[in-house]
Amino acid sequence: GQSLEQPSEVTAVEGAIVQINCTYQTSGFYGLSWYQQHDGGAPTFLSYNALDGLEETGRFSSFLSRSDSYGYLLLQELQMKDSASYFCAVLGNYGGATNKLIFGTGTLLAVQP
Amino acid sequence: KAGVTQTPRYLIKTRGQQVTLSCSPISGHRSVSWYQQTPGQGLQFLFEYFSETQRNKGNFPGRFSGRQFSNSRSEMNVSTLELGDSALYLCASSLFPSEETQYFGPGTRLLVL
Repeated sequence: GQSLEQPSEVTAVEGAIVQINCTYQTSGFYGLSWYQQHDGGAPTFLSYNALDGLEETGRFSSFLSRSDSYGYLLLQELQMKDSASYFCAVLGNYGGATNKLIFGTGTLLAVQP
Repeated sequence: KAGVTQTPRYLIKTRGQQVTLSCSPISGHRSVSWYQQTPGQGLQFLFEYFSETQRNKGNFPGRFSGRQFSNSRSEMNVSTLELGDSALYLCASSLFPSEETQYFGPGTRLLVL
C-alpha cells in the first residue's frame, strides 16, 4: 500500500521561515509534488522533485531524500497570502496502466501578523 | 487560455439519488483525473481518463463511474448516493497521463442529505 504523513497544522509569523515535512511509504515511486490550496479554492501546483536534493522557486523550495522516503517544502519570507493548505503528493505506479498522484491529508499553514 | 471548468459548482441531493458531474479540461489537455476531497482525508484519487479510456482507478466502490468524450470533456457519475459521498469533487487535467503537474478545477461541492 501507500501512505503519506504530514503535520495537520503549522503556525508561523509574517517574514519567518516555515518547513512542512512529508514522509511517505509507497511502491513504484517516481517523484514528490507539492500543491497549495487556499480555502475554497482549487489546488495549484508548486513544485516537483524526482531526484534527491533541493529545488528552489522564488520564496518556495522543496527537498527530497529518496533513501529516507522524506521530503519537505520550505517557505521563506512568509506573507499573509501564504495562509493555505499544503499537500504533498507522491507520483507512483500502483499497478494501473498509468502512474497516479496519491495525496497526503494536507498541512494547514496559518501565517500570523 | 481558459482553466479547468466544472459544473455544477454546488449540488444538493438526497440519499439514493444519482448525480452526474462535468469537467472541461484546459484546451489541448487530453488527460482528466477525478479526486474526492473530504475534511481530514485529503484528496483521494477516483480515476483517470485519457483518450476516452480509463487508465487508472482508485479504491472506490462501483457506484462511482466516469467517462471521457472525444473532445476530452469528462463526466463522473455517482449512483445510489450515501451521506458519506458528501464532498468536494475535483477534476484535474494534464497534457498526458501520469504527469506530476495537474491543473485543478474549482470543484463541485456535493451535499447528500
